[in-house]
Amino acid sequence: DIQMTQSPSSLSASVGDRVTITCRASQSISSYLNWFQQKPGKAPKLLIYGSSSLQSGVPSRFSGSGSGTDFTLTISSLQPEDFATYCCQQSYISPWTFGQGTKVEIK
Amino acid sequence: QLQLQESGPGLVKPSETLSLTCTVSGGSINSSSYYWGWIRQPPGKGLEWIGSIYYSGSTYYKTSLKSRVTISVDTSKNQFSLKLSSVTAADTAVYYCARRGRVIRIFDYWGQGSLVTVSS
Repeated sequence: DIQMTQSPSSLSASVGDRVTITCRASQSISSYLNWFQQKPGKAPKLLIYGSSSLQSGVPSRFSGSGSGTDFTLTISSLQPEDFATYCCQQSYISPWTFGQGTKVEIK
Repeated sequence: QLQLQESGPGLVKPSETLSLTCTVSGGSINSSSYYWGWIRQPPGKGLEWIGSIYYSGSTYYKTSLKSRVTISVDTSKNQFSLKLSSVTAADTAVYYCARRGRVIRIFDYWGQGSLVTVSS
């Protein structure tokens, strides 16, 4: 199975900050990398697919990049509603696997 | 707007079988464009894909769970179901049903999740 490793596991940031989260795959997954946002007690919400494509309705302050094994999710200017946990997921090959999550907390 | 809703018992005894159903509304499960899957999340932990089913009935399971998992589909009711046998406390989790595109392989619609606790 492909292992997905995120860093950091948590971070503290302020409203307006630029935030970057990294995801690394244990083998090349081309650009088959998706990012989800999850708030407590809620289902994951798809933000980015195919490494850099913004899902419909997602604010443009979210962006993704990377290919192969290294990927990045960037929030250009953190908003109050962005405090949540973010996780990556590879859709290159089954079994579909997820990162352990990065919790973005208020500083 | 597509909606998915999980239903089933919230408490299951060890060694018994966990059963959940996902009802799809606002769209047809009988589509060649999508797979329908189950994903779980133990308390405080990450997401784990369990398995998926195609409208034709073809199934795909995570290898480590394959011996205990059965996913089935009922197109007449627009539902698909999960059965997980011989459960232990390690199977305690929030169970989500979700839709995955066949070509663009993304989980784009999710149910709200159903907490299942394994305890005597």
